[in-house]
Amino acid sequence: DVKVTQSSRYLVKRTGEKVFLECVQDMDHENMFWYRQDPGLGLRLIYFSYDVKMKEKGDIPEGYSVSREKKERFSLILESASTNQTSMYLCATRGRGDTEAFFGQGTRLTVV
Amino acid sequence: QKEVEQDPGPLSVPEGAIVSLNCTYSNSAFQYFMWYRQYSRKGPELLMYTYSSGNKEDGRFTAQVDKSSKYISLFIRDSQPSDSATYLCAMSDSGGYQKVTFGTGTKLQVIP
Repeated sequence: DVKVTQSSRYLVKRTGEKVFLECVQDMDHENMFWYRQDPGLGLRLIYFSYDVKMKEKGDIPEGYSVSREKKERFSLILESASTNQTSMYLCATRGRGDTEAFFGQGTRLTVV
Repeated sequence: QKEVEQDPGPLSVPEGAIVSLNCTYSNSAFQYFMWYRQYSRKGPELLMYTYSSGNKEDGRFTAQVDKSSKYISLFIRDSQPSDSATYLCAMSDSGGYQKVTFGTGTKLQVIP
């Protein structure tokens, strides 16, 4: 059974804190993605990675960075959290050449 | 103008009704068209996908793509309360790891 696991379902952090969101997949997929989902804006791509140590900016990378040291793990880092980064964060994976993306359960981050 | 437009709803229908969900898009390079279903507090999961124009049927679900009008639809026949979810359309111009553009999602409620 396909599994994409995000480390936390709910997080509350203070403004200015460094925040790490972790995503682990067990499908041996090359491609991993981080999205944020906001009402009325849908899913917006923050960063994606198509291989270990490779990363590409998505549509809204400002204020975020990522790390992919191992194939199965893709981390999203908020260097200095701000209230406008309060959102639902979704990790997804997709095999090379595949159409279907598999999503994790999401992390609802609140920055106060 | 957004690349993909989707009516956010909410759409409320009685059990057994036929449901029509729609998206329009502006990027003529899109070739892969997907519908994802997202239950509350869960990540999206792929429901159907089609390549280029035409229809595709899977049980009670039918996906239609009209590239000449840049319009895609998802029909749900004999709708069930378990169909209550948010439906997101998604599109990409190629397979592989190229990014996917999502609609904002339509929230559907099927009333018993």
